[in-house]
Amino acid sequence: DQQVKQNSPSLSVQEGRISILNCDYTNSMFDYFLWYKKYPAEGPTFLISISSIKDKNEDGRFTVFLNKSAKHLSLHIVPSQPGDSAVYFCAASSNAGGTSYGKLTFGQGTILTVHP
Amino acid sequence: NAGVTQTPKFQVLKTGQSMTLQCAQDMNHNSMYWYRQDPGMGLRLIYYSASEGTTDKGEVPNGYNVSRLNKREFSLRLESAAPSQTSVYFCASSEEARSKTQYFGPGTRLLVL
Repeated sequence: DQQVKQNSPSLSVQEGRISILNCDYTNSMFDYFLWYKKYPAEGPTFLISISSIKDKNEDGRFTVFLNKSAKHLSLHIVPSQPGDSAVYFCAASSNAGGTSYGKLTFGQGTILTVHP
Repeated sequence: NAGVTQTPKFQVLKTGQSMTLQCAQDMNHNSMYWYRQDPGMGLRLIYYSASEGTTDKGEVPNGYNVSRLNKREFSLRLESAAPSQTSVYFCASSEEARSKTQYFGPGTRLLVL
């Protein structure tokens, strides 16, 4: 049962345009969400996160939006650059029941390609 | 400051062979994790160590064992490798178990024939 889903395996965008990556989740106990970026032959690197008490978090060109009622989050990259070409994973975490470890549940990933 | 390091980078095993994947972090983090990444599956947690001296199973622990050797090092052992364990393995660490942000190593690509 995939609790975090990224339904678009790939996305292709022109340089300078907006990239929108989407993520859906089913577990209503998730209360913290993260986006990781991964280049080939490297480990994932943390990009941006959002707590469930917020609906938007911005960091430079990257903005994450959270729609709790729809159990949906999205990552906006504006403007997109060729160096943004990578695999993007969304991840979710829950502290339900006093869970004391930061277990992350990951989506399958979306390959973003930004063309010059 | 190297962050999280993993050895080896790539390994080929025959079915039934054993091996240990090594992971070390120099960020003085308390918690460490082992994940595997398979095509179309995202990253799945194998084992984690919330703090030195403790280890617990994650989502897919079967066929693996772990050792938290000290605060810096967390190893993953395959006692009898199977083709289904062909994957890319990532080690990660975080300041503490409740920290949401985890920092990943570069990965070990394992092929089991």
